Amino acid sequence: EIVLTQSPGTLSLSPGERATLSCRASQSVTNSNLAWYQQKPGQAPRLLVYGASFRATGIPDRFSGSGSGTDFTLTISRLEAEDFAVYYCQQYGSSLQSFGQGTKLEIK
Amino acid sequence: QVRLQESGPGLVKPSETLSLTCSVSGGSITNYYWTWIRQPPGKGLEWIGNIYYGGGTNYNPSLKSRVTISVDTSKNQFSLKLSSVTAADTAVYYCARGLPWQYWGQGTLVTVSS
Repeated sequence: EIVLTQSPGTLSLSPGERATLSCRASQSVTNSNLAWYQQKPGQAPRLLVYGASFRATGIPDRFSGSGSGTDFTLTISRLEAEDFAVYYCQQYGSSLQSFGQGTKLEIK
Repeated sequence: QVRLQESGPGLVKPSETLSLTCSVSGGSITNYYWTWIRQPPGKGLEWIGNIYYGGGTNYNPSLKSRVTISVDTSKNQFSLKLSSVTAADTAVYYCARGLPWQYWGQGTLVTVSS
């Protein structure tokens, strides 16, 4: 089973700033089958990025994903008020999928 | 427009079996991976398992002995059964389609309590 570790646990930034979220896997993620989700209170998660770097349908281009192997990054270039939420990485390269524990992005 | 909707009891007694159904509209269930995910109150997401129509199932090793996921093509639904529940199984349960998960249900809260 692949364990995903996200850092930091909480990130405090201001609107307009750049956010960098990290996700590290305990072993290499096959075919970079790594996704990022955004979750707001009371809502189901929303798919942002898949295949490590491909934006899902309707996702603004301020969101970008990168990485391969065991190290992955989600970058939000210029934070908007609606971006403050919890972000999860998830690997689906293995038949046993798994999530990271989440990064809370809060307003500073 | 693809829509997923979870349904089932909101309260289950300890040691009993939790049963949920996910109804799918806007597309056939005879394709894609179909997944159950849960989220305890105030905590992170946990993958429970998935099923691929015509294929097999995969379960989280920590839940494998208690979980069954199945598909009912006649109703365009898939289901989750989790046996011998305890308070630790209290969570919002989501169903989702695909791999990764583009489409999600809204989630349903299941509380385990006597």
